[in-house]
Amino acid sequence: GAVVSQHPSRVICKSGTSVKIECRSLDFQATTMFWYRQFPKQSLMLMATSNEGSKATYEQGVEKDKFLINHASLTLSTLTVTSAHPEDSSFYICSARDPGQGSAYNEQFFGPGTRLTVL
Amino acid sequence: EDKVVQSPLSLVVHEGDTVTLNCSYEVTNFRSLLWYKQEKKAPTFLFMLTSSGIEKKSGRLSSILDKKELFSILNITATQTGDSAIYLCAARTGTASKLTFGTGTRLQVTL
Repeated sequence: GAVVSQHPSRVICKSGTSVKIECRSLDFQATTMFWYRQFPKQSLMLMATSNEGSKATYEQGVEKDKFLINHASLTLSTLTVTSAHPEDSSFYICSARDPGQGSAYNEQFFGPGTRLTVL
Repeated sequence: EDKVVQSPLSLVVHEGDTVTLNCSYEVTNFRSLLWYKQEKKAPTFLFMLTSSGIEKKSGRLSSILDKKELFSILNITATQTGDSAIYLCAARTGTASKLTFGTGTRLQVTL
């Protein structure tokens, strides 16, 4: 099946620094990638939808200037958490849509997630 | 605002029991309902349901969708300790295939 990777798997940073998380589709071209955030014991919350070559669409309440998303190629999307603060500590998961699978199948494939801890 | 609600929030059962997990949804431009199992990392796909009344099965797991009542259930028979996980359902909507996740059900299977 389709494979999505994320890097890094875990990151610890100081408050005020910026952190970049990469999401790659390894064996397919992903026209659309999604970024989710999951706080402990809570469900996944969609942050933004990223389409290759265009600006990301952010969900209500998500600051686009704080969470910068770039989808420069069909296999890579990046999420940069700028000026990170302890309340940004969370599990960040990306998913990539494989349009080749068609609507009859599970289109989105999830990465393994990145655990961000801001001290 | 799209909303997906799961119940119960958590459940503890003994190995061998059968469990039923519930998922209700209120969304616009509904396309399909998906079930995922999440252990320590990202969710792993279980089922995608698009049509009402057609049961999908995979081993001891099965799921069905009721589009009239906006409801889906996930059944697990003869539970094993390896079934312990968070089970998430998500409604897929719109042409961008956006997923709105439910609150999740935390299942613990004990010996």
